[in-house]
Amino acid sequence: DAGITQSPRYKITETGRQVTLMCHQTWSHSYMFWYRQDLGHGLRLIYYSAAADITDKGEVPDGYVVSRSKTENFPLTLESATRSQTSVYFCASSSSSYNEQFFGPGTRLTVL
Amino acid sequence: EDQVTQSPEALRLQEGESSSLNCSYTVSGLRGLFWYRQDPGKGPEFLFTLYSAGEEKEKERLKATLTKKESFLHITAPKPEDSATYLCAVQAMTGGGNKLTFGTGTQLKVEL
Repeated sequence: DAGITQSPRYKITETGRQVTLMCHQTWSHSYMFWYRQDLGHGLRLIYYSAAADITDKGEVPDGYVVSRSKTENFPLTLESATRSQTSVYFCASSSSSYNEQFFGPGTRLTVL
Repeated sequence: EDQVTQSPEALRLQEGESSSLNCSYTVSGLRGLFWYRQDPGKGPEFLFTLYSAGEEKEKERLKATLTKKESFLHITAPKPEDSATYLCAVQAMTGGGNKLTFGTGTQLKVEL
């Protein structure tokens, strides 16, 4: 039972490049989320999805794009990476709108 | 705007020395308050959800309590394996999608 996985775990890219972070969950949870974690800011919500083909913006969505064609996958794309997007990215999922969220192991992204 | 403030930022305890972590919050109607534990290099791990003032939940050496303005995470006779960052998050009644607002965490170190 893998739960929720993220790939890659580490990524180094250059300014201006497109990069996609993958998230996959095996629980068939309806809700999925992307957060970034930076020192001094805690976890901040980038985008979330209530179901396949339903996505909405969180607190810090600028520069990011998401899609959700299948319930189990929720990729996050940085269309043109910037140094300010250097961060640790966490994907999470939840079975309902009021239950706890379960987090993946994270992707550490460095933009040079 | 929902806000979560955690204190102290860092706490160092001797093994067996009980203490409490604080989470103060302002939210437009609390749906739930969540506590997570995060180990270095890993994703947050769910601990508790509290829904109403006066509620308490326990797990091993941890007990979480909730008032109308704050939550406490009490650690009784801690062990070195309790060393981690503890995160608090709130979910508001208004707004959709199970969005959580996180504090910046308390980094706990328990020494022998």
